Amino acid sequence: KAGVTQTPRYLIKTRGQQVTLSCSPISGHRSVSWYQQTPGQGLQFLFEYFSETQRNKGNFPGRFSGRQFSNSRSEMNVSTLELGDSALYLCASSTAGTGWAGELFFGEGSRLTVL
Amino acid sequence: AQSVTQPDIHITVSEGASLELRCNYSYGATPYLFWYVQSPGQGLQLLLKYFSGDTLVQGIKGFEAEFKRSQSSFNLRKPSVHWSDAAEYFCAVDSNTGTASKLTFGTGTRLQVTL
Repeated sequence: KAGVTQTPRYLIKTRGQQVTLSCSPISGHRSVSWYQQTPGQGLQFLFEYFSETQRNKGNFPGRFSGRQFSNSRSEMNVSTLELGDSALYLCASSTAGTGWAGELFFGEGSRLTVL
Repeated sequence: AQSVTQPDIHITVSEGASLELRCNYSYGATPYLFWYVQSPGQGLQLLLKYFSGDTLVQGIKGFEAEFKRSQSSFNLRKPSVHWSDAAEYFCAVDSNTGTASKLTFGTGTRLQVTL
């Protein structure tokens, strides 16, 4: 069974631009969560989607948004990029919502550098 | 609000020595606790989890953790460390009642293994 796939793995943007990151969950997983990882703030929860609906949201500004498609694939978007948005963005999928979850399966992440 | 504290930022152990990584949590209800490991450039992999029952939990790669409610701790242990265990270790608590879809992570402990 294929794992969680995130694209692109690396990208460089400049301040003010926007970026879209993609996540394909494990087949059968309908819950997709996003986390931001930085050296200063560590791992922080961004949001979680289930069946195309955002169920949970972390404490991030509105520049951070996401969506989930009917095939459970998810995208997150960051608009008007700031230097502080440079981070590793991790996507995780689970069976949450369709049975006892117990585990998040993480992708390898998308490393965003904002210049 | 729930929180997780990992007091040790960096630990160095010799190969073959025992290991204990500390984790303290703050959570009002019965916690669901996790340990994840992250190798450089990789996503997170679940080592073990505690939901209820036996307070000593066995995980993958020879790791175990003990839940101690009286001390609000969930320390990770391994009797004999291998060089391949060098990585960053994260303790996490489930902040969404057991669905594992919204985790609060500690700041991580980086493990270095000397030969």
